[in-house]
Amino acid sequence: DAKTTQPPSMDCAEGRAANLPCNHSTISGNEYVYWYRQIHSQGPQYIIHGLKNNETNEMASLIITEDRKSSTLTLPHATLRDTAVYYCIVRASNTGNQFYFGTGTSLTVIP
Amino acid sequence: DAGVTQSPTHLIKTRGQHVTLRCSPISGHKSVSWYQQVLGQGPQFIFQYYEKEERGRGNFPDRFSARQFPNYSSELNVNALLLGDSALYLCASSWDRVYNEQFFGPGTRLTVL
Repeated sequence: DAKTTQPPSMDCAEGRAANLPCNHSTISGNEYVYWYRQIHSQGPQYIIHGLKNNETNEMASLIITEDRKSSTLTLPHATLRDTAVYYCIVRASNTGNQFYFGTGTSLTVIP
Repeated sequence: DAGVTQSPTHLIKTRGQHVTLRCSPISGHKSVSWYQQVLGQGPQFIFQYYEKEERGRGNFPDRFSARQFPNYSSELNVNALLLGDSALYLCASSWDRVYNEQFFGPGTRLTVL
């Protein structure tokens, strides 16, 4: 059961920030928000995750709204290698490692 | 450090046959999960194993089974293959059952003719 809604596709100019939105309006208090990306026919790659605080790592930033019903993944300076399908996933901490993937957002970085 | 490895990379079978897919987790990871990804869709959860016990099962028929070995590697078995079983089968490992991110392998591409 996909618990998230994402736009099916987005474009971003190379060098600009890519902001990928995700709605998770039914998220529960113990559910984390995870982001993965998948380059064509490869295994998904972990990007970042968070519970309620904003998170940043070397790849991206994650901003979760105060009501936790939506979040935005930001790639600060998109490159052509960032072209991929990006999945926003919510996972409850008490249901094991079952990740429910939706259909994701296909991000195309344009030169 | 080696990531998650899967074998074989590609596999072609015919309807009715059975198949065994293998996965080696990252060293130190005790949890292995299996996913099926049909073309154009996101991965779908099949099984999770932790400490050699099944800890989760997705909505897949009994033709699908798996096991985890003492060294934490895992096998996914599919019997009586159907055309619809053609997919990319992904294995993911993590440190524990619940709290940590999963790291995915490159997958096994299964084609059923």
